[in-house]
Amino acid sequence: GAVVSQHPSRVICKSGTSVKIECRSLDFQATTMFWYRQFPKQSLMLMATSNEGSKATYEQGVEKDKFLINHASLTLSTLTVTSAHPEDSSFYICSARDPGTPIRGSPLHFGNGTRLTVT
Amino acid sequence: GQQVMQIPQYQHVQEGEDFTTYCNSSTTLSNIQWYKQRPGGHPVFLIQLVKSGEVKKQKRLTFQFGEAKKNSSLHITATQTTDVGTYFCAGPVSGGYQKVTFGTGTKLQVIP
Repeated sequence: GAVVSQHPSRVICKSGTSVKIECRSLDFQATTMFWYRQFPKQSLMLMATSNEGSKATYEQGVEKDKFLINHASLTLSTLTVTSAHPEDSSFYICSARDPGTPIRGSPLHFGNGTRLTVT
Repeated sequence: GQQVMQIPQYQHVQEGEDFTTYCNSSTTLSNIQWYKQRPGGHPVFLIQLVKSGEVKKQKRLTFQFGEAKKNSSLHITATQTTDVGTYFCAGPVSGGYQKVTFGTGTKLQVIP
């Protein structure tokens, strides 16, 4: 089945630094990937839709300059948290659709997530 | 905007007891998906329902899609400790072709 790999799984950084998170589709091509953020004991909130070869689409309230998304190839999307602050500490998860099923309603396959802690 | 609520938020059950989580959307859904997230893990797709009134079973899990396609339920019969986790329903975002809105989730704790 479709496998999505996310790296790193855990990162601790100092306030003011930038952190890059990679999301790879290992056995399929993903023209679209989704980045979610999850606070402790809460649901997944969609941050942005990453589109291969074009600009990402951000959800309302998500700062584009804060969360830079680059979808450089059909198998790789990256999320960079720039000038990180403690309030950016969270669980970030990427996902992509199973390419073998119709787009509308096809299941999402998630990476293992990245737990970011900003000190 | 579109909201997808789940109740209860938390549920503790004794192993062997049944468990049900309910999902309600503020808008009609073309389909509904269910995911399970183990503690410390990532969501894993369980099933998708498409038709009004549809019922699907996976071993001890029974999924139902409401007639109006605005609500859904997940019922687990005779829970086991392996059922521990948070269960999310998810539906397509209105007008947002590929995007999905996740429900608020129900966290299940099974007491051995």
